[in-house]
Amino acid sequence: NAGVTQTPKFQVLKTGQSMTLQCAQDMNHEYMSWYRQDPGMGLRLIHYSVGAGITDQGEVPNGYNVSRSTTEDFPLRLLSAAPSQTSVYFCASSLDGSSTDTQYFGPGTRLTVL
Amino acid sequence: AQSVSQHNHHVILSEAASLELGCNYSYGGTVNLFWYVQYPGQHLQLLLKYFSGDPLVKGIKGFEAEFIKSKFSFNLRKPSVQWSDTAEYFCAVNWNNNAGNMLTFGGGTRLMVKP
Repeated sequence: NAGVTQTPKFQVLKTGQSMTLQCAQDMNHEYMSWYRQDPGMGLRLIHYSVGAGITDQGEVPNGYNVSRSTTEDFPLRLLSAAPSQTSVYFCASSLDGSSTDTQYFGPGTRLTVL
Repeated sequence: AQSVSQHNHHVILSEAASLELGCNYSYGGTVNLFWYVQYPGQHLQLLLKYFSGDPLVKGIKGFEAEFIKSKFSFNLRKPSVQWSDTAEYFCAVNWNNNAGNMLTFGGGTRLMVKP
């Protein structure tokens, strides 16, 4: 199993540009989520999904969109990038989204918005 | 709002020193507790977790953590650190009354172990 994969690893955007961060998992996990990691703030939940066709907002959803058309994929879209979105983005998945689940993280995407 | 606090942002130790990293969470009922580790250039991985039972939990690589309900704490410990333990450590809490698996992370503690 490849686990959780993310592309790209690095990205530089200009303010106002749009892009999609890709996330895929091959563990047949129902639950997937996106976090952003900022220094001193730990990881903050952006959006999550409990299964194909179902998504919901996390702690910091503004400026981001998600969709879940398949179990495997959970892309994160930035519609109009802002410098405040400069961060490291992690995708994670877990078996069924229960509160005792272990989450498995991808390698991260380092995004810089100029 | 529910929150998780890690009071030590940076810790520097020499090899063989003992380690204790603090983690406190806000009151909110039954909790599930996790410690994740992020080695340099790598993704986060689970170190250990606690749901119920014995409040002293043992994880990988000689780490352990103790859940003290009365103090709302879940401190991470290791008797003797190694250079390879240099990493950032995150405490995370999932309150059982949450909808879905919404982990709340602490701000992280960056540990540097000097050889």
